Amino acid sequence: DTEVTQTPKHLVMGMTNKKSLKCEQHMGHRAMYWYKQKAKKPPELMFVYSYEKLSINESVPSRFSPECPNSSLLNLHLHALQPEDSALYLCASSRGLGGNEQFFGPGTRLTVL
Amino acid sequence: GESVGLHLPTLSVQEGDNSIINCAYSNSASDYFIWYKQESGKGPQFIIDIRSNMDKRQGQRVTVLLNKTVKHLSLQIAATQPGDSAVYFCAQGGYSTLTFGKGTMLLVSP
Repeated sequence: DTEVTQTPKHLVMGMTNKKSLKCEQHMGHRAMYWYKQKAKKPPELMFVYSYEKLSINESVPSRFSPECPNSSLLNLHLHALQPEDSALYLCASSRGLGGNEQFFGPGTRLTVL
Repeated sequence: GESVGLHLPTLSVQEGDNSIINCAYSNSASDYFIWYKQESGKGPQFIIDIRSNMDKRQGQRVTVLLNKTVKHLSLQIAATQPGDSAVYFCAQGGYSTLTFGKGTMLLVSP
């Protein structure tokens, strides 16, 4: 299995809602990532997990809360988002940190009303 | 190339032509470089990578060239096909992260 899967594909939420994005990989990768991508822009790194521990937080607002329950799963909990948080949220995984190809999921298209 | 505002640099080619997409990178300490293809509505897909101890690497229909002197990376696609139409991103690898370039849109007309 060489896939990274993400659910849901699309999500519309209000500013007072709480929702979660889910990501799963079964490649035995020990590093997992969340990126945010706005239209016509490159992916921007949000969080890096290595061996299920948060390794990097790129100064992301606390309304985004990552969680890595086990080595195959990565969640992103969303609360009190703003309309400007609307974007494509991409999950990726790699064998380890540094010098490794990152495999990307298809993303979750998030719209905040 | 550099993007201005919301406009991606665009390369338009005819089917069968060879395409060359360029990327300038900033971190001379990076030792890993990678090209991704992103089709509309999809996540980035790996095309080819190269380490800093090499200056050329070939895959199927694709070649990556690395010029460390001028911090320049290029992707050559031979016999471009309509299915190659996408946005192409270069990325440079640090210890734990990838930093993406601004992207180039490739449009292939039949």
